[in-house]
Amino acid sequence: DVKVTQSSRYLVKRTGEKVFLECVQDMDHENMFWYRQDPGLGLRLIYFSYDVKMKEKGDIPEGYSVSREKKERFSLILESASTNQTSMYLCASRLTGHITEAFFGQGTRLTVV
Amino acid sequence: DAKTTQPNSMESNEEEPVHLPCNHSTISGTDYIHWYRQLPSQGPEYVIHGLTSNVNNRMASLAIAEDRKSSTLILHRATLRDAAVYYCILRRSGNTPLVFGKGTRLSVIA
Repeated sequence: DVKVTQSSRYLVKRTGEKVFLECVQDMDHENMFWYRQDPGLGLRLIYFSYDVKMKEKGDIPEGYSVSREKKERFSLILESASTNQTSMYLCASRLTGHITEAFFGQGTRLTVV
Repeated sequence: DAKTTQPNSMESNEEEPVHLPCNHSTISGTDYIHWYRQLPSQGPEYVIHGLTSNVNNRMASLAIAEDRKSSTLILHRATLRDAAVYYCILRRSGNTPLVFGKGTRLSVIA
């Protein structure tokens, strides 16, 4: 079974902290994605990566950065966490191609206080 | 990107078929129709996809209109486990990311 593993299920951080959300996949997928999900707003794309060391901005990249040093790992970085970044964060991965399915992690519920 | 329109919510009785509609009137010839669902407290999971012909798999069936401007996800016998938000998504070729709309929240009544 394909596995997409997010490092934490729940996380509480203070305003201003630098926060790292880690995502690891075990199926050699080229593409990886970070979304956030908020009530009433659905899933919104933050960043994605086609391959190692490559990254593209999604719809809401402000306040975030990403790192993809190895194919299996895609990290989302909150440079200076703010309360409006309290959200559910979801990581996904997929092979290249328009008919391939994406696999999602369980999500990290981040609370910034 | 072509948009999809789905009802906000639907309700079904357990063990009855469910037809979840999706309108995509601006679909282009290279857009694949994908369906994902999100069970409570979980990440989305793939359900099915198609281009022009109807498709079946172990989870569901996908019926695509002849003009491709609409499609319907069919769950043949709804169970309580099928209660989820169902997303209809159009995907272009290449590496374009999945763009999620609001989806349809399906409730299943025992």
